[in-house]
Amino acid sequence: ETGVTQSPTHLIKTRGQQVTLRCSSQSGHNTVSWYQQALGQGPQFIFQYYREEENGRGNFPPRFSGLQFPNYSSELNVNALELDDSALYLCASGRGGFRETQYFGPGTRLLVL
Amino acid sequence: AQTVTQSQPEMSVQEAETVTLSCTYDTSESNYYLFWYKQPPSRQMILVIRQEAYKQQNATENRFSVNFQKAAKSFSLKISDSQLGDTAMYFCAFMRATGANSKLTFGKGITLSVRP
Repeated sequence: ETGVTQSPTHLIKTRGQQVTLRCSSQSGHNTVSWYQQALGQGPQFIFQYYREEENGRGNFPPRFSGLQFPNYSSELNVNALELDDSALYLCASGRGGFRETQYFGPGTRLLVL
Repeated sequence: AQTVTQSQPEMSVQEAETVTLSCTYDTSESNYYLFWYKQPPSRQMILVIRQEAYKQQNATENRFSVNFQKAAKSFSLKISDSQLGDTAMYFCAFMRATGANSKLTFGKGITLSVRP
């Protein structure tokens, strides 16, 4: 176990809906990153937050947004869900400002119908 | 942009034997970090091993070791004395040493099956 937790574990939504996924970072970590992992693929970087500010974004549209809270927990919000958003969403925490190893949560499996 | 390539989609090994998983990457950076992560069927991604590009010595962690060839941009993982619990998907990943964030770029992964 890495100390990073995510909720919910599974979620089913319909196309066009909005979803919020949550992540609680490992103690002492102030950076959180979100990744999308399609079935049978490697994770793709969505964005990273450091001390509540976004400090990097991958090739994802603006309907993917996030927040990091003062306690370093985080949310990933996806608006106007599309079928292709069906994936495992992983968050990872680390100590920002350094090239520290990132530790992953168990993920949230999202299915969009 | 950096790319990570894992060309073997699947591998199988007998318990107690040794297996090597391949990974190549492409970057114009001179300093960076490389990782192997393991994702068991329960799906939580676990760090296996980490290598700093400026270190010539290959990293080792118990039964896991890497063969890091910087000039060839190759980073393979050797698992010795394979155990049933090693059955998982393995991802090779790259992280820049400079820049604003610690983004990981992953390969597509390789599914390793350990046979009893």
